[in-house]
Amino acid sequence: QKEVEQNSGPLSVPEGAIASLNCTYSDRGSQSFFWYRQYSGKSPELIMFIYSNGDKEDGRFTAQLNKASQYVSLLIRDSQPSDSATYLCAFEGAAGNKLTFGGGTRVLVKP
Amino acid sequence: EAGVVQSPRYKIIEKKQPVAFWCNPISGHNTLYWYRQNLGQGPELLIRYENEEAVDDSQLPKDRFSAERLKGVDSTLKIQPAELGDSAVYLCASSSPYNEQFFGPGTRLTVL
Repeated sequence: QKEVEQNSGPLSVPEGAIASLNCTYSDRGSQSFFWYRQYSGKSPELIMFIYSNGDKEDGRFTAQLNKASQYVSLLIRDSQPSDSATYLCAFEGAAGNKLTFGGGTRVLVKP
Repeated sequence: EAGVVQSPRYKIIEKKQPVAFWCNPISGHNTLYWYRQNLGQGPELLIRYENEEAVDDSQLPKDRFSAERLKGVDSTLKIQPAELGDSAVYLCASSSPYNEQFFGPGTRLTVL
């Protein structure tokens, strides 16, 4: 079992719709969870992090964490063509300071 | 605030040749990371530094890879000799006191 599982996609979403991305992880000791966006040919950029169970909203982005079920999700509301990218989830293990990344989900927002 | 700086951005070498990558982290970030990212995959940690000390190098192929961060600021990652399978993007990152990691632009290595 991989430490972090993401559907590779592509996830095709009409402009203005909600994109829903999911990520599961195996380390029950994980404390912190991160979502990165990576445009083709660019480096990952941090868009959200979440530590506590529940929802965290930042603009059009909402991260949801469920530690009991070991999944974290990202919702992108009012999706724009500029949101087309690969979204990487990552978790920080119990030992801290080390991020383990999933393979990423490619999102395509179609006008 | 300046971001993480890496050089070179691109490097093409023949197999068995040496190569070195340089990284300067965000000012004030004590923790520095080197990752390798293969096409279609997430970044994989190679080595993590806390100041000048390598605190996690368990994923670094030590037979051919080496890294240093002598003064606890900038860092160099070296491969000698390079193999075809080393072709990837090498990413440097540094983290804030809140453990948010910020990545540099990366060095795209092609080994022929």
